[in-house]
Amino acid sequence: KNQVEQSPQSLIILEGKNCTLQCNYTVSPFSNLRWYKQDTGRGPVSLTIMTFSENTKSNGRYTATLDADTKQSSLHITASQLSDSASYICVVSAMDSSYKLIFGSGTRLLVRP
Amino acid sequence: NAGVMQNPRHLVRRRGQEARLRCSPMKGHSHVYWYRQLPEEGLKFMVYLQKENIIDESGMPKERFSAEFPKEGPSILRIQQVVRGDSAAYFCASSPTDGGGGNTIYFGEGSWLTVV
Repeated sequence: KNQVEQSPQSLIILEGKNCTLQCNYTVSPFSNLRWYKQDTGRGPVSLTIMTFSENTKSNGRYTATLDADTKQSSLHITASQLSDSASYICVVSAMDSSYKLIFGSGTRLLVRP
Repeated sequence: NAGVMQNPRHLVRRRGQEARLRCSPMKGHSHVYWYRQLPEEGLKFMVYLQKENIIDESGMPKERFSAEFPKEGPSILRIQQVVRGDSAAYFCASSPTDGGGGNTIYFGEGSWLTVV
């Protein structure tokens, strides 16, 4: 069964600190992996997209990595800001229906001053 | 350039009534997707539509739910005879081409349905 699991479920860090969020997936055959940011009560906003051949992708202070062999991804946030408080969701697609996004349950990040 | 527009943002319906959720994709986007997010759960795929065609409705409940994306006008997700279990956030997304591969899929802000 195609699944996406994320850890930790929630995380609290101090403003200015870095953090790394983890994602493991069992989706096969793999097509692409995306990270989205979702603020409470809002829609998901795309941060990065990686296909099979890409190992890392950056978007400002966000850096995503992908290891397609171990089926793991991480999202690293550098120099956190209060506005980074949100849910970060790992999303994977399978090759046979790559338009169909399979969402993880997300990591809730709270950045404290 | 306006994003994906959904309305209403919040909707309250009594059990047995109908709910209609509307979605206008981003300008130039002809591919529309609907996802449902139950409380404390991740988003789940419901249906994928391209102008006037349903491409994949494998995530739609077999009864009471229907979706359309007419040649003119917004995409509509229709839920007939709503039950309490239909209470959820419904997100619409769009893309200019098939959202597979490395193509970005853009989400709207969601429609929150509450069934009382």
